[in-house]
Amino acid sequence: EIVLTQSPGTLSLSPGERATLSCRASQTVSASYLAWYQQKPGQAPRLVLYGTSSRATGIPDRFSGSGSGTDFTLTISRLEPEDFAVYYCQQYGSSPRYSFGQGTKLEIK
Amino acid sequence: QVQLVESGGGVVQPGGSLRLSCAASGFTFSSYTMHWVRQPPGKGPEWVAFIRHDGSDKDYTDSVKGRFIISRDNSKNTLDLEMSTVRVEDTAVYYCARGFGEFPYWGQGILVSVSS
Repeated sequence: EIVLTQSPGTLSLSPGERATLSCRASQTVSASYLAWYQQKPGQAPRLVLYGTSSRATGIPDRFSGSGSGTDFTLTISRLEPEDFAVYYCQQYGSSPRYSFGQGTKLEIK
Repeated sequence: QVQLVESGGGVVQPGGSLRLSCAASGFTFSSYTMHWVRQPPGKGPEWVAFIRHDGSDKDYTDSVKGRFIISRDNSKNTLDLEMSTVRVEDTAVYYCARGFGEFPYWGQGILVSVSS
């Protein structure tokens, strides 16, 4: 079973700063099937990145992704007020067929 | 535009049954794999089940195998989740979602609360 572990649990930053969120898998994950989501209170998750580094429709270019194997990163280059939310990574491929990380809360410092 | 609207949630006693539905519009429903994803209060999302575009393949997360059944009606553009022998730990917001490797489209979610 692939377990995705995200760190840190909470990240406190100010608008304009750079955010780096980590997702570590217990086994190798295909880079083609590693995605990131943003979730705000009371809303469904919103796809941000797929295939490790491809931005979903409408996602600004301050969001970028990298990684391979078991270590993946979501970077937000200059935080805007609307970026503060909870972020989840997700993989497809191995048992369970789909799994999510436990989330990183990005909060305003 | 793509719209997914869940219905059928509510409060159910442990051991009881509930049927969730998802009405899809804005795309050719019969061409896409569909999923149910749930999110317990204060926790991250958990994939529950998927069904291929034509119903030819289905899969479930281990914790619901033998208790939940996913189905679809491509003539009515609906996706269902039949939940039986429910447990307290099935309490969550249930989302229907469209996608294959990732989930670009989600419904607004429906709350299922399992409580005596």
